[in-house]
Parts: sequence; C-alpha cells; structure tokens
Amino acid sequence: DTGVSQDPRHKITKRGQNVTFRCDPISEHNRLYWYRQTLGQGPEFLTYFQNEAQLEKSRLLSDRFSAERPKGSFSTLEIQRTEQGDSAMYLCASSSRSAGVIHEQYFGPGTRLTVT
Amino acid sequence: AQSVTQLGSHVSVSEGALVLLRCNYSSSVPPYLFWYVQYPNQGLQLLLKYTSAATLVKGINGFEAEFKKSETSFHLTKPSAHMSDAAEYFCAVSSFYNQGGKLIFGQGTELSVKP
Repeated sequence: DTGVSQDPRHKITKRGQNVTFRCDPISEHNRLYWYRQTLGQGPEFLTYFQNEAQLEKSRLLSDRFSAERPKGSFSTLEIQRTEQGDSAMYLCASSSRSAGVIHEQYFGPGTRLTVT
Repeated sequence: AQSVTQLGSHVSVSEGALVLLRCNYSSSVPPYLFWYVQYPNQGLQLLLKYTSAATLVKGINGFEAEFKKSETSFHLTKPSAHMSDAAEYFCAVSSFYNQGGKLIFGQGTELSVKP
C-alpha cells in the first residue's frame, strides 16, 4: 500500500490558463474523491467516482472544472480558464466500498494551485 | 442535511496538559463521524472514526473521542499533549444515507503546544 499520490504538488499559473492535476488512489480502492481547501477552511467536497463513473458533483464544480477517471484507476481534475479564486489546495482521497459500510477516506498530499 | 461546527479556531495548551477540541454536528440521519489531522502543506491523516458501534472511540497517537447523541457532540481529547501534536484538526460527518459517503468538514481547529 503506497498511499494516495498526487501530481504536481505545486502549480503556479497565470489567470486564464488551463491546468490539470492527477491523482493515483490506493490500488484496491474503487471510490475516489476530490476536495478543495482554501486557506483557513476545511476541505469542501467537489466530486466523487465509483470505479469510472462520476456519481456526484458539487455545485462548487463550475463548468470550467472537469474530472475524469477513465479506467477506474487514476483520476484527473482539469480547470479551464483559471481565475484567482481557484487558488486553493486540491485534495484527492480514496476509499473502498462495502454494502452498508462507510469506509474511511485516505487522503493524498494535495496539489497547491496559485493563480497569478 | 449535515453540518459540523468546531468551536474555537485556535487552541493553545502546554506540553503535558489535556487537549480538548470541540466538535458539534447536525445530521437528520445516523451520522458517521471522523477526526482528521493535517500538518502544514500535507494531506489529511485519519485519527479516529465513529461508525455506530462503541460511543468511546480510541484512535492513533493517544487520541480518543466520545460520541454523545444527546449533545450532538464528538469532542476529541488527549490526556497529555506532546509538541508533535501541533497541527490543524478537522472534524467531519458522513452517513450511510449520504450518497458516496462524502465527508462534510468543519472549519478546523489549530492546536498549538507550548513547551
């Protein structure tokens, strides 16, 4: 178990540019989550996948945001036409799934995005 | 709907003193409750979780929390603080009835430990 990994760890971009982040979950986990954390706040849910299916999206996820998990393994989160308000830490988490049980989520180290 | 309130954005204790971090939740369905710790520029690490079994939950690093339904609380305690406990702590709620088990977090409490 190598844990959840995220790449890159830091990204600085100019307003209006597109950025893409990658998350590799724990290999046997079939659920993958994305959260956004701004300074001094708790993480906020963005979206989650069960295998390759994106099953829920938060209202926080505007049309400029898109997430994929094409083969049910790694996931990407893309932000188009970045705005300064997108500056935040983007956290990925994964968990397993069993009927009638809530499993804990394991978090990656996060990608810190700075939009200048 | 579910929500979490953490009382006190910053708590300071002396090394060796009791740590008490407060969390109150709101949930219309039976909750699952979690405490996570976050060190600077890192992701979140699970300390402990409550999933409707024992109301007193023991976690890692000597932390424990007690689920009190009547008070809708899930406060985190540790008998004796260590310098390495200095970090940000987040309480979170979820539910079996919450599709996908997404976590709803409080705003966090920063714990400082004085020598």
